[in-house]
Amino acid sequence: QKEVEQDPGPLSVPEGAIVSLNCTYSNSAFQYFMWYRQYSRKGPELLMYTYSSGNKEDGRFTAQVDKSSKYISLFIRDSQPSDSATYLCAMGDSSYKLIFGSGTRLLVRP
Amino acid sequence: DGGITQSPKYLFRKEGQNVTLSCEQNLNHDAMYWYRQDPGQGLRLIYYSQIVNDFQKGDIAEGYSVSREKKESFPLTVTSAQKNPTAFYLCASSGPVQVYGYTFGSGTRLTVV
Repeated sequence: QKEVEQDPGPLSVPEGAIVSLNCTYSNSAFQYFMWYRQYSRKGPELLMYTYSSGNKEDGRFTAQVDKSSKYISLFIRDSQPSDSATYLCAMGDSSYKLIFGSGTRLLVRP
Repeated sequence: DGGITQSPKYLFRKEGQNVTLSCEQNLNHDAMYWYRQDPGQGLRLIYYSQIVNDFQKGDIAEGYSVSREKKESFPLTVTSAQKNPTAFYLCASSGPVQVYGYTFGSGTRLTVV
């Protein structure tokens, strides 16, 4: 069993839809959780960061962590074609190493 | 501007050749990483280094080698022992990971011809 599981998609939604992206994990030592966005043939860029449980909002993006269920989510409101990308969840404990999900490919149709 | 630079963007390797991918950062980060990305497989860790002159194997180190002689530089050599080297290679660096996560370069696409 992988430490981090993420549905690869692709997820196709119409412009303006609310998008929900999710990851589950098995290691209860994970304390901080991140979402990266990766456009085709580019390096991933950090989108959202949360520490421990709870919600964090930044513009159209909301990151949610439920440590009791070992489940994290990224919500995108009013999705735009420019949001079309692969979204990778990542998480870590107190070490230098992040563990990445395999990524979910999102396509927002105009 | 601070950042992390990978070169070249595209690289073609003949069978049996060793090739070296460059990664340079000016973020004053202590830790640096090399990942391989294949379609549908996410990021797989090849090597990482937390400090100059020290590095550790990741999950798929066979057929690869690295050096960390300077804080700013972490080159990756793909040797002829790597049987399936065609992939997208990503270099990253980090300060305190818990606070800032990783900063990635723009990647090198390696193709065996």
